[in-house]
Amino acid sequence: NAGVTQTPKFRVLKTGQSMTLLCAQDMNHEYMYWYRQDPGMGLRLIHYSVGEGTTAKGEVPDGYNVSRLKKQNFLLGLESAAPSQTSVYFCASSYAMGPDQGLFFGEGSRLTVL
Amino acid sequence: GEDVEQSLFLSVREGDSSVINCTYTDSSSTYLYWYKQEPGAGLQLLTYIFSNMDMKQDQRLTVLLNKKDKHLSLRIADTQTGDSAIYFCAAYGSGNTGKLIFGQGTTLQVKP
Repeated sequence: NAGVTQTPKFRVLKTGQSMTLLCAQDMNHEYMYWYRQDPGMGLRLIHYSVGEGTTAKGEVPDGYNVSRLKKQNFLLGLESAAPSQTSVYFCASSYAMGPDQGLFFGEGSRLTVL
Repeated sequence: GEDVEQSLFLSVREGDSSVINCTYTDSSSTYLYWYKQEPGAGLQLLTYIFSNMDMKQDQRLTVLLNKKDKHLSLRIADTQTGDSAIYFCAAYGSGNTGKLIFGQGTTLQVKP
């Protein structure tokens, strides 16, 4: 049972390059999220989706775009990477009617922008 | 918006109890959670408490909720070196979107 899978796990980019992080979940969850984790700042929500074809902005959406074309996948894109986007990115998913189960997290994707 | 605050670091000796504290601002948060993150890994749900409860116990873990003061704590009894990790407090956000607001995380260091 894979749960939430993120690819790639590590990536190094140069300033101005673009890339896409892929999140896949096999639990038939309705909701999916992208967070970034920075030292001393906890996890901050970038974008989220409450269903296939829908996306919404979180706390820190600038510089990122997302798409949810299929229920099981949630893509996070960086169009023009900046050093401030160096971070560990976590994807999570949850049931729409299951707040008692919380969020299920992937292992994280470590991105370095030089 | 909702804000969740935690202290950044706690050090205890093996066998002692650890108490990690958290405060939140949104009194309408219905669920409050504790997550554990081990080095290089994602976050795992440890436990949660519903807002109409003031205590929940699960083996070595005890969660206390003071709704009046918007204060949440996690007590780990008989702390072991394997409990060394970052512990995140999170509050269920408003708007029925399932999103959680996380604190900064408390690094628990357990000394042998």
